[in-house]
Amino acid sequence: ETGVTQSPTHLIKTRGQQVTLRCSSQSGHNTVSWYQQALGQGPQFIFQYYREEENGRGNFPPRFSGLQFPNYSSELNVNALELDDSALYLCASSFLQGPTGELFFGEGSRLTVL
Amino acid sequence: AQSVTQLDSQVPVFEEAPVELRCNYSSSVSVYLFWYVQYPNQGLQLLLKYLSGSTLVKGINGFEAEFNKSQTSFHLRKPSVHISDTAEYFCAVSDMGGSQGNLIFGKGTKLSVKP
Repeated sequence: ETGVTQSPTHLIKTRGQQVTLRCSSQSGHNTVSWYQQALGQGPQFIFQYYREEENGRGNFPPRFSGLQFPNYSSELNVNALELDDSALYLCASSFLQGPTGELFFGEGSRLTVL
Repeated sequence: AQSVTQLDSQVPVFEEAPVELRCNYSSSVSVYLFWYVQYPNQGLQLLLKYLSGSTLVKGINGFEAEFNKSQTSFHLRKPSVHISDTAEYFCAVSDMGGSQGNLIFGKGTKLSVKP
C-alpha cells in the first residue's frame, strides 16, 4: 500500500508567477485536503476535495485553487504568487470526509517565493 | 470558531524522563481532539485522537492524552521518552458537526530529547 506522495519536494518561484503542486492520495482514499504550513506555525487548512468537488475552504483567497481527478489525485494551484506564500504545502488524504477520518499526510512541497 | 494553544514552543528533556506537552483549546461547539507528530523532513503522523468515551486516550509509541472538558485541555504525556521521540508535536481540533473535517492546528511544540 503506497502512502501519500507529493511533487515537487522543493521549488523556487518569483513574485507574480504561478505554481502547481501535485498529490497522489493513499490507495482507497477518496478525500484530499491541502494545508499550508508557514515557518514556525502549525498547518492551516486551505481546502478539501471529495469526489472531485470542493467540499470546504479555509480563509484563503481565490488565487488558491485546486482540482481532484477521477483517480483521486489532486493539484493545488496558486496564481500571482506573493512573498507570504512561501511555506510547506501539505496534502492529506482520508477515506472519510467527515471529522473522524484519520488524515494521512504527505511529506510536503516546500515553496520559496523570491 | 475554534482555536488551539500549545503552551510551550520548545520542551527539552533527558532520555527516560517523563514528559507532558500541554494543549488548550477554545470552541463554541463540541470538538474532536487530535495529536500529530512531525519528524524532521516528514509529513504529519497521527499519534492519537479523542472522539468520545474514556477521557484517557492511548496512542502509538507509548503516548497517551487526557481530555479535560472543564479545563478545555488535551495534554499529551509519555512516562519515559527516547531519543527517537525528538520531533515536533501538534495538537489539533475538529468541529464535531462539520462535514469536511478540517483540522485547526496549534503552533506546535518541539520536543528535544537529550542523552
